[in-house]
Amino acid sequence: DTAVSQTPKYLVTQMGNDKSIKCEQNLGHDTMYWYKQDSKKFLKIMFSYNNKELIINETVPNRFSPKSPDKAHLNLHINSLELGDSAVYFCASSLRGARSYNEQFFGPGTRLTVL
Amino acid sequence: AQSVSQHNHHVILSEAASLELGCNYSYGGTVNLFWYVQYPGQHLQLLLKYFSGDPLVKGIKGFEAEFIKSKFSFNLRKPSVQWSDTAEYFCAVNAGYGGSQGNLIFGKGTKLSVKP
Repeated sequence: DTAVSQTPKYLVTQMGNDKSIKCEQNLGHDTMYWYKQDSKKFLKIMFSYNNKELIINETVPNRFSPKSPDKAHLNLHINSLELGDSAVYFCASSLRGARSYNEQFFGPGTRLTVL
Repeated sequence: AQSVSQHNHHVILSEAASLELGCNYSYGGTVNLFWYVQYPGQHLQLLLKYFSGDPLVKGIKGFEAEFIKSKFSFNLRKPSVQWSDTAEYFCAVNAGYGGSQGNLIFGKGTKLSVKP
């Protein structure tokens, strides 16, 4: 009974292609996130979604677009992939609200390699 | 803007040695603090967290951390490390609740290598 799951685990593709990574959480959380971890292990938030509304978008190219069909899913679509997009992408979720402290639960990651 | 600094990039210890990893943050208001661990090839797992109350928090696997507000620090400690503690350790902070203020800002991580 995985809490936060991502597919695929590995993704190898050519420059210029369009790809998607899926994320699902079964924790009943209302906020989901995407993080990018670069080759130096630095984690940086890309997006977060709360109740189907995008509430943050940190200087991420518009080739990246999050799509949330419902509260339990937040997929990441990437158009026109570039070499610099190679990284590990982590999905996370949390429960926000007036008394929420934003403890986030992470998925296993998707290692994207762009050739 | 909030930021988190982890002073040590790579720490190498022998088994049974004591561990202290530094973490400092820059934010003057109320903060929530976290330490996450990432074992090789795995996802991030929460080690411990501080929200309020006792500034000395205990986490899983014998780890603890002390919040010192005056120093803006939240250092991670373990009295005696094991080979299985080899991993990357991330300090993270968020300020307040909800909205963009509730997002986690991570430090750059400290790699811990424990020699058997």
